Amino acid sequence: DVKVTQSSRYLVKRTGEKVFLECVQDMDHENMFWYRQDPGLGLRLIYFSYDVKMKEKGDIPEGYSVSREKKERFSLILESASTNQTSMYLCASSFASNYGYTFGSGTRLTVV
Amino acid sequence: KQEVTQIPAALSVPEGENLVLNCSFTDSAIYNLQWFRQDPGKGLTSLLLIQSSQREQTSGRLNASLDKSSGRSTLYIAASQPGDSATYLCAVLNYGGATNKLIFGTGTLLAVQP
Repeated sequence: DVKVTQSSRYLVKRTGEKVFLECVQDMDHENMFWYRQDPGLGLRLIYFSYDVKMKEKGDIPEGYSVSREKKERFSLILESASTNQTSMYLCASSFASNYGYTFGSGTRLTVV
Repeated sequence: KQEVTQIPAALSVPEGENLVLNCSFTDSAIYNLQWFRQDPGKGLTSLLLIQSSQREQTSGRLNASLDKSSGRSTLYIAASQPGDSATYLCAVLNYGGATNKLIFGTGTLLAVQP
């Protein structure tokens, strides 16, 4: 089975800090995604990548950036964390553009 | 614009009952439809993936059907158990031109009472 691993289950950061969320997949998937999930708003796509060093903006990219230096790793960066970025962050990957997605176990980020 | 709706929003059933969760979508130009399960505070676990050319998929007590022309999918859970309690999400993979997008439904919160 494909495994998508998010490095932290829970994180607490201070306003203004630079935050890195890491995601690693172990099955050579081409595509990787970052979502955030908030009550009443569902899952919203932040950024995605379909190849190493490639990135595309999703629906809510403001305040975030990403890095994909290696195929298996996709990092989400909060340049200057704010309280409205408190959320559950979910990473996903897929083999190719029309395949199913596999999600990680999520990172609950709290910005204080 | 693709919209995905799940009915009901919440469901409570006694243990052992068979149940059906519904998912509807407005644009039939999809690659596939995926059903996920999410436990509180956890990530999404993929249950079943139905390609657009398929009519149904089965895994254990779960059966998912797809009627692309009418924009509907159902997830059938047989002989429900308390461990099935979770939020169930359906998602369609839309044709997106250069990039495809996974569009999620609003979810059904299922509680199975012992």
